[in-house]
Amino acid sequence: EVLLLESGGGLVKPGGSLRLSCAASGFTFNIHYMLWVRQAPGKGLEWISSISHGGGNIDVADSVKGRFTISRDNVKKSVFLQMNSLRAEDTAVYYCAREALGAPDLYPDHWGQGTLVTVSS
Amino acid sequence: SYELTQPPSVSVSPGQTARISCSGDGLSNKYVYWYQQKSGQAPVLVIYEDTKRPSGIPERFSGSSSGTVATLTISGAQMDDDSEYYCYSTDSTGQGVFGGGTKVTVL
Repeated sequence: EVLLLESGGGLVKPGGSLRLSCAASGFTFNIHYMLWVRQAPGKGLEWISSISHGGGNIDVADSVKGRFTISRDNVKKSVFLQMNSLRAEDTAVYYCAREALGAPDLYPDHWGQGTLVTVSS
Repeated sequence: SYELTQPPSVSVSPGQTARISCSGDGLSNKYVYWYQQKSGQAPVLVIYEDTKRPSGIPERFSGSSSGTVATLTISGAQMDDDSEYYCYSTDSTGQGVFGGGTKVTVL
């Protein structure tokens, strides 16, 4: 069974930093792209960032470019999201997701349960 | 920036058919994916590559695409289908894009 378990969310002040982690199990981690998606309270889903299986190819949404950094550790089967210079509008549930393998497009096929990040003074 | 447009809400009576549209300029040469999200839960993939259904997804869920519009159809809707549904595709750079979501109410 594919399992993705996010951690690291919490309350942080504007301008602060937070590092999210996602521990994967139940599949061969080092052959899948991984990504982060967020959902502000009462709002829709927003694609944030993806990372290739080896970590050499990274893509970032304009809304967080220069502030958020995705990374991965294939030995620990984990993906991370370092979030700096946080703003109130970054308040959201952050989901870790696995990208499908061998598909014509990159798309998430399994999701974690999410971790809540609240940016407030 | 690339956008996918969905109706905010769709209502359907139990046993009837619900159709949710997703429109976008680039969809004529891109696949569309559909996710169901129940309240307080993570999204679940229900349709991939326009028309394919993952294992475990009921047959009442189907997808189609024509030109710049993709459609998710729920045939014989059940109370359990009362959820938010999101379409997804990729832009010209390969970045993911979600539609704004459609709340399906079964009543």
